[in-house]
Amino acid sequence: GQNIDQPTEMTATEGAIVQINCTYQTSGFNGLFWYQQHAGEAPTFLSYNVLDGLEEKGRFSSFLSRSKGYSYLLLKELQMKDSASYLCAVTNAGKSTFGDGTTLTVKP
Amino acid sequence: GAVVSQHPSWVICKSGTSVKIECRSLDFQATTMFWYRQFPKQSLMLMATSNEGSKATYEQGVEKDKFLINHASLTLSTLTVTSAHPEDSSFYICSADTRSSYNEQFFGPGTRLTVL
Repeated sequence: GQNIDQPTEMTATEGAIVQINCTYQTSGFNGLFWYQQHAGEAPTFLSYNVLDGLEEKGRFSSFLSRSKGYSYLLLKELQMKDSASYLCAVTNAGKSTFGDGTTLTVKP
Repeated sequence: GAVVSQHPSWVICKSGTSVKIECRSLDFQATTMFWYRQFPKQSLMLMATSNEGSKATYEQGVEKDKFLINHASLTLSTLTVTSAHPEDSSFYICSADTRSSYNEQFFGPGTRLTVL
């Protein structure tokens, strides 16, 4: 089976740093995606991790530990427009299974 | 990057009618497309995997006869919700597999279906 856990909601202040965690127990694993989804819109790709370690991409970084079944998305220098839902997805055999998403609210 | 379009972006229909949603890859060929459904404040649930030239593979619990999928070409997949009922009201999203080294999916903008 597939089980992916993320916190439901998080709140942070503009300009701060926030870390969104994702743990997974899946029957197979090829890689892990992070997506951003604004209300009423489709998800947009943020990052992909296949090997252990940190992938940095501007203000966004993603970390993976395959042995621990754990990933996090790190958002730096938060902006108001970063308020959105962040989805963790594990991919296996070409299919992706999504977590329920973490709704991030950025406050002034 | 790869662009995926969906049409219509929203539709309202009466209970018992059928609704067709189109998903197109605009600047690349997609041998595989995925159809998801998302209820408010919930995650994306994979409904089926659509493969060009063959029958779709449905996830457990998804009715094949109710959600008809046709992937007639390398750039077009359609989802038809037959005899729609209010409980079918949802946000339907398609994605296309770019066949990159890590199977990145590009998502369409979604279709909001409301069944009265």
